[in-house]
Amino acid sequence: TQLLEQSPQFLSIQEGENLTVYCNSSSVFSSLQWYRQEPGEGPVLLVTVVTGGEVKKLKRLTFQFGDARKDSSLHITAAQPGDTGLYLCAGTFRETSGSRLTFGEGTQLTVNP
Amino acid sequence: NAGVTQTPKFQVLKTGQSMTLQCAQDMNHNSMYWYRQDPGMGLRLIYYSASEGTTDKGEVPNGYNVSRLNKREFSLRLESAAPSQTSVYFCASSSCPGPTTSPLHFGNGTRLTVT
Repeated sequence: TQLLEQSPQFLSIQEGENLTVYCNSSSVFSSLQWYRQEPGEGPVLLVTVVTGGEVKKLKRLTFQFGDARKDSSLHITAAQPGDTGLYLCAGTFRETSGSRLTFGEGTQLTVNP
Repeated sequence: NAGVTQTPKFQVLKTGQSMTLQCAQDMNHNSMYWYRQDPGMGLRLIYYSASEGTTDKGEVPNGYNVSRLNKREFSLRLESAAPSQTSVYFCASSSCPGPTTSPLHFGNGTRLTVT
């Protein structure tokens, strides 16, 4: 069974601070996705990374995929209260069907004004 | 654009009762999924349907059954609800079950409490 570990589990910061969230696995990802979930809603896709070493930017969010495709990070610059939410990484693995997307436990981010 | 619609939004059941959670998508997606979300455990796949007419077990299928009624609709049934099935249930769809880039589109969840 492939496991995803996210850290930290909880993060509370002040507006304007920077932060990084991590997603790690002992297995090689075929692909990895990051989602954000707000209270009372379903997760919404932020980005998909496929290639080792890949870096993608979405406004103040920077996503990196490790060279060995076993880890990923999400960095937020100058966080705003609107960034508050649950950030989930989800990966597919070579060993399992592409239909079985495995989710991490999530990082609950709170940005205080 | 409705996307993925789940009904009901909230439900309270007594142990042993049965119910069906409904899900419909209007994006012409081939694949549909049922997840449950519990605190500290992330999203766990219950069942999925890679295409109309097929269903497969996910990580936690025990106590559940599914029906892919047509391309749009995928229902989840609890035959005899147990307190351990108290959770938030999410339906999702994707354009194809490929191993890489097909994103999931989620509904807003059904919050189920079993007493």
